[in-house]
Amino acid sequence: DVKVTQSSRYLVKRTGEKVFLECVQDMDHENMFWYRQDPGLGLRLIYFSYDVKMKEKGDIPEGYSVSREKKERFSLILESASTNQTSMYLCASSAARGLGTEAFFGQGTRLTVV
Amino acid sequence: SQQGEEDPQALSIQEGENATMNCSYKTSINNLQWYRQNSGRGLVHLILIRSNEREKHSGRLRVTLDTSKKSSSLLITASRAADTASYFCATGSAGKSTFGDGTTLTVKP
Repeated sequence: DVKVTQSSRYLVKRTGEKVFLECVQDMDHENMFWYRQDPGLGLRLIYFSYDVKMKEKGDIPEGYSVSREKKERFSLILESASTNQTSMYLCASSAARGLGTEAFFGQGTRLTVV
Repeated sequence: SQQGEEDPQALSIQEGENATMNCSYKTSINNLQWYRQNSGRGLVHLILIRSNEREKHSGRLRVTLDTSKKSSSLLITASRAADTASYFCATGSAGKSTFGDGTTLTVKP
């Protein structure tokens, strides 16, 4: 059974902390993505990666960075957490570029910044 | 930037009825996908329809695509309580998907 695993379901962090959200996929997918989901705003793309050590900014990259040292792992980093980064974070992976393919999602991490 | 917009935002029906959700998008697409999200969970892929297809079926799901109107619809037939979830359309290009706000479907037993 294919799997995208996010390290935490729920996380509470303090303002100013550096926060790491980890995502691992076991499908040997090239593409990995980080989205945040907020009521009324849908899913918004933060960063994505088409290959190891490669990253591209999505629609809302400010305040975030990413790391992809290994093909299976894509980390989202909040450099200095702020309350407006309280959200549901969703990681996804997909097989290849080109025409666009099915994305597999992790279970989500609900982050609260206090 | 949001590409797809679902309509209605919320839909409540009785078990056994059909549910129809619509999606409109703004720019040319390679494909359009529909996903389901149960409360507080990640999204699950339901069906993908390519830009050269007009209709696709998968079990109780029927998806149509009208590229001239830049719209798609998802029909769930004979709905069940377990179909209660949010449904999102996503437009894809270059391996990247852009999602709408979703339609929240409630199926009452």
